[in-house]
Amino acid sequence: EADIYQTPRYLVIGTGKKITLECSQTMGHDKMYWYQQDPGMELHLIHYSYGVNSTEKGDLSSESTVSRIRTEHFPLTLESARPSHTSQYLCASSEQVYGGYTFGSGTRLTVV
Amino acid sequence: QKEVEQDPGPLSVPEGAIVSLNCTYSNSAFQYFMWYRQYSRKGPELLMYTYSSGNKEDGRFTAQVDKSSKYISLFIRDSQPSDSATYLCALFMNRDDKIIFGKGTRLHILP
Repeated sequence: EADIYQTPRYLVIGTGKKITLECSQTMGHDKMYWYQQDPGMELHLIHYSYGVNSTEKGDLSSESTVSRIRTEHFPLTLESARPSHTSQYLCASSEQVYGGYTFGSGTRLTVV
Repeated sequence: QKEVEQDPGPLSVPEGAIVSLNCTYSNSAFQYFMWYRQYSRKGPELLMYTYSSGNKEDGRFTAQVDKSSKYISLFIRDSQPSDSATYLCALFMNRDDKIIFGKGTRLHILP
């Protein structure tokens, strides 16, 4: 079944730790995105990729980094987590953007 | 001025009522208009998308676009408790190749 998977679903981690949020999709989409979502706020685009070896920063400044070595995999890394990174992180993919995105279920990150 | 405005709610209506959710936008260059539904602790899922002004119907859901007024709506008929979720409007233009999302409206359908 075509889908997009995010792991872990929930993560509580201490300040200063390095973390990687995983995102994989089985639909063969070239375009992939990472969004940050806080309660009652808009989705903010933090990274996107249009294909293998293509990565761009989004509209919201972020201390995270991403890589795209394989079409299906788009992990997000925080080198040193801080409490200000506490948020929900959503991964999405699309074939044609005008047709909308397919989102994963998200990773809820809490940095203590 | 924000590119898209959406009342965050919450909006509470009794089961069976017709629900109207709305967004306004500022840039007439937007070409595609979408509605997403997001349940608690889940990612958004695409409900409908439209390209032009007018209505598009899918079961109990109707999306309406008025480009002249820069106003989009989602109507839910015969609302059910399972419709309780946050509904996000989203807009796209080819020039930017990215989707802009509203803040979302929290909807509660009361049994």
